[in-house]
This record gives sequence, structure tokens and C-alpha cells, in this order.
Amino acid sequence: QQKVQQSPESLSVPEGGMASLNCTSSDRNFQYFWWYRQHSGEGPKALMSIFSDGDKKEGRFTAHLNKASLHVSLHIRDSQPSDSALYFCAANYNQGKLIFGQGTKLSIKP
Amino acid sequence: GGIITQTPKFLIGQEGQKLTLKCQQNFNHDTMYWYRQDSGKGLRLIYYSITENDLQKGDLSEGYDASREKKSSFSLTVTSAQKNEMAVFLCASSRQDQDTQYFGPGTRLLVL
Repeated sequence: QQKVQQSPESLSVPEGGMASLNCTSSDRNFQYFWWYRQHSGEGPKALMSIFSDGDKKEGRFTAHLNKASLHVSLHIRDSQPSDSALYFCAANYNQGKLIFGQGTKLSIKP
Repeated sequence: GGIITQTPKFLIGQEGQKLTLKCQQNFNHDTMYWYRQDSGKGLRLIYYSITENDLQKGDLSEGYDASREKKSSFSLTVTSAQKNEMAVFLCASSRQDQDTQYFGPGTRLLVL
């Protein structure tokens, strides 16, 4: 069964610092990786997707994919208190079906 | 832009009860999804639908039924609520499968 493993489970970063989140797929037959963010009491919102090796940057967020190691990471620079949330990695293996990781709880300390 | 509306926001049920959750979207998206989110776990797919009257089972479909009578709405039924069950049910939609999924705010279920 395809699985997505995220680490760490929780992370605390000072305001203005860099937050780094990790995700590994159990199966190399993925098409896309997605990063979603969920604030308390809300549904998840998509941050970005990546399917090519290398970096993809959107504002303060950079995703890095290494297909050979089945690993994707998300880096948030200049972290803000509003970045405190639950972050999910998800992989597209089959059409329309996303497999989500367990999530990383990020706390930004002022 | 668009919005996904889920009703009710909170649902308290009794063991063995049949419970129905509703989802409406005005994105005019073809594909809709139902996920379950438990504390400490990621989202798990219950059912999805790629078009009106279509239903596809996810990994967690046992104990649930779904219905997509029209493009804009997708309902989920818990066929027999389990005692002490507590979870958030999230509805999502996307233009087509593999596109960005947009989520509603969720329905919080508690079974006494």
C-alpha cells in the first residue's frame, strides 16, 4: 500500500527563521507531490505542487523534490506567526486520489 | 473564486444512528471528495466522484455511503455511527482529478 511519511511530527521555529519540513514516498510511481496547510478550525489549503526534480519557489515557500530518493521537502523562510499551522504532504499515485501524510505541526514563536 | 459549504458544522449522534453530511460547491468543479481526519492522523479518502452520478470508493469506504445527485453537491452517510467516534469530515472539489483540491471547513462528528 502506498504511504507518505512526514517528519518531524512537530516543529518550533523563531519568528523570522527558516522552517524545514520533510516527506518521503513509499512508492516511486508518484506523479505529483503537494503541500497543503491547515489552520485550526479550517480546511486544508493548497500551497504548491511539484513534479520535477529540483526546486520550485513561490514567495517565501520553496519545495525541493529528489525523485531518486523519493523525498520532497518544504522550506519556509522568514517564518511569520501566521505560518503556524498543520502542514500536509500528499502524493498523487493514481488519477484523482491523493495519499496524505500524517502532518507536521509548525509553531512560530514571536 | 468559489466556496465549499458543509452542513452541519457540528453533528452529535447516538450509537447505531444513520447520519448524513452535506457538501455544496459553486466552483463548477467536476470532481468532489470526502475525507476523514482523525486527531494525529492525516486525511483518509472515503469516497470521490468524477462527475454527476459517479461514485468511486476510497480506502476508508466501509461504513459509509455517498451520493452525487448533481454536479454541485455531494452527500456522505455514516450508515451506523460507532460509540465514542470523533472525527472531522472534510469535503473537497477540484476542476478535474489531479488538479488542486479546494476544501470546505469540515463537519465535526461526535458520537455518544
